[in-house]
Amino acid sequence: AQSVTQPDIHITVSEGASLELRCNYSYGATPYLFWYVQSPGQGLQLLLKYFSGDTLVQGIKGFEAEFKRSQSSFNLRKPSVHWSDAAEYFCAVTGGSYIPTFGRGTSLIVHP
Amino acid sequence: SQTIHQWPATLVQPVGSPLSLECTVEGTSNPNLYWYRQAAGRGLQLLFYSVGIGQISSEVPQNLSASRPQDRQFILSSKKLLLSDSGFYLCAWSPRRTAEKLFFGSGTQLSVL
Repeated sequence: AQSVTQPDIHITVSEGASLELRCNYSYGATPYLFWYVQSPGQGLQLLLKYFSGDTLVQGIKGFEAEFKRSQSSFNLRKPSVHWSDAAEYFCAVTGGSYIPTFGRGTSLIVHP
Repeated sequence: SQTIHQWPATLVQPVGSPLSLECTVEGTSNPNLYWYRQAAGRGLQLLFYSVGIGQISSEVPQNLSASRPQDRQFILSSKKLLLSDSGFYLCAWSPRRTAEKLFFGSGTQLSVL
């Protein structure tokens, strides 16, 4: 069975600082990995995804993520955070089926 | 382009009352459809998914049910709501036979009092 762990419930950063949100997955083969963002009271929007190929993937809003098979990780990064990035971030994994498994989310707080 | 509509946005219901949440997708055919529930601080819990009309798979046994009467319509129901049914309900769709990307509705905030 596939699973996702997001070890940080809350992350607080200052505006302009760099950001890294952690995600670890469990899956027996090559996973499909995703990061979604959710603004308060809204649905989720896809930031980026990894299926194969280059392990560093670029997404929308200046985000990127790196797939590291040896560490079973898919951490999300952004070099300079903006106040509008404050939101809930979800990592998800699917093993090629149509049932993604989501992590419990990391709440990003941005201080001015 | 594809769009997903979910309503109502907010709902307050007494314990023991029925529930019906509706979700429709436009601009695509044969989508996979999903119902998720999001409780505070607990991430997304998959409730039901459907790969076709009348085909419903339940992930979590509870007093909720789902139906797919048409290809692009997905309904979440309950005959008698419990306090524990409160939460944020999200409908989503993905292209058939793949979860390459999920497209989410804007959600329904359900409060059971």
